[in-house]
Amino acid sequence: QVQLVQSGAEVTKPGASVKVSCKASGHTLNPYEITWVRQTPRQGLEWMGRISARNGNTNYAQKLQGRVTMTTDTSTSAVYMELRSLTSDDTAVYYCVIAVADYFDYWGQGTLVTVSS
Amino acid sequence: QSVLTQPPSVSGAPGQRVTISCTGSSSNIGADYDVHWYQQLPGTAPKLLIYGNNNRPSGVPDRFSGSKSGTSASLAITGLQAEDEADYYCQSYDSSLSVVVFGGGTKVTVL
Repeated sequence: QVQLVQSGAEVTKPGASVKVSCKASGHTLNPYEITWVRQTPRQGLEWMGRISARNGNTNYAQKLQGRVTMTTDTSTSAVYMELRSLTSDDTAVYYCVIAVADYFDYWGQGTLVTVSS
Repeated sequence: QSVLTQPPSVSGAPGQRVTISCTGSSSNIGADYDVHWYQQLPGTAPKLLIYGNNNRPSGVPDRFSGSKSGTSASLAITGLQAEDEADYYCQSYDSSLSVVVFGGGTKVTVL
């Protein structure tokens, strides 16, 4: 069973950027497509986009186009999600998830990103 | 405002049966996209509970079942237990928005 481990909580200011990492414990991410989902008390669960850990192909939610970038680093078997021009609305728990089919099988532990001046 | 609509809360006594509805539209559930369900215990990540409308991953008790009809889906929990107290989310795909969509979540309280 794949275990996803994410980077720690972040506190950042409006207008700044944040980069969250996601690694597979004891396993390579290479065969998988990694999806990023965020959760806020107000908006609930929101699909942000996905990246193929195999070839780096990405697909982003239209709402976040231009602000989000998902990348993969094969040398460290990690994927990254960077979100720019942050506002308080981006305060959320961010999850990386593996979807073998069209549902989400394995979830990271979540990374709390707080945007506050 | 979530694309898929769930009741904010449901409750039941231990041993009872509760159901959670997930109402969509002709561009998601009604377009024959599968519905999946997740359970989220306090302070943890969501966990896959039901996939493909009515299939349970290994390890999920058969007290949990899913169904789908028309533009709606349902999750049923029979023989409610204290450990079932959690938030439950439905998920599907929306062809108009071209995006994965979630319900707003339902909090299950065991009385």
